[in-house]
Amino acid sequence: NAGVTQTPKFRVLKTGQSMTLLCAQDMNHEYMYWYRQDPGMGLRLIHYSVGEGTTAKGEVPDGYNVSRLKKQNFLLGLESAAPSQTSVYFCASSYPGQFQETQYFGPGTRLLVL
Amino acid sequence: DAKTTQPTSMDCAEGRAANLPCNHSTISGNEYVYWYRQIHSQGPQYIIHGLKNNETNEMASLIITEDRKSSTLILPHATLRDTAVYYCIVRVNGYSTLTFGKGTMLLVSP
Repeated sequence: NAGVTQTPKFRVLKTGQSMTLLCAQDMNHEYMYWYRQDPGMGLRLIHYSVGEGTTAKGEVPDGYNVSRLKKQNFLLGLESAAPSQTSVYFCASSYPGQFQETQYFGPGTRLLVL
Repeated sequence: DAKTTQPTSMDCAEGRAANLPCNHSTISGNEYVYWYRQIHSQGPQYIIHGLKNNETNEMASLIITEDRKSSTLILPHATLRDTAVYYCIVRVNGYSTLTFGKGTMLLVSP
């Protein structure tokens, strides 16, 4: 199993450009998440999904949109990138259940917005 | 979710036990204690979790005080590869999201 994979690994954008980050998992997990991590900070939740076709806002959702059209994929979109969105983006997935609810993280996407 | 307090950084000699403390004095009865770690430039990795009993797995041990207001993650024989930021998180199981603080930067030295 590949686990959680993220595409691309690194990207440079100009202010105002748009892009989509792709997260894929092959563990048949119901829940998926997008986090961002700024230098010296912990992770902050952007959006999450508890199942195919459903999404919900996290702690810092402004400027981002998400879609979960297929169970294994969770897309994060930036419609008009801003320098404040320069960050490392991590995707995670989990299988809900009282004793199984640990999150598995991808390797991250490093985004630089100029 | 209850707030946690962790030291900013800790040092440990290779081969010795690393004991990472976490204070969660406002923890509720149905909140679990989770530990994750993040090695530089990688995604966080789940380590262990517990409710009130001490727990052990192949990676670490988790000691939770009887009043549940604090806990300690123990890496019994730290190696250089254990150098990472360690996050203590408390949350209710069945609730999907995790809240990460700044964690403890553990530096394991030769």
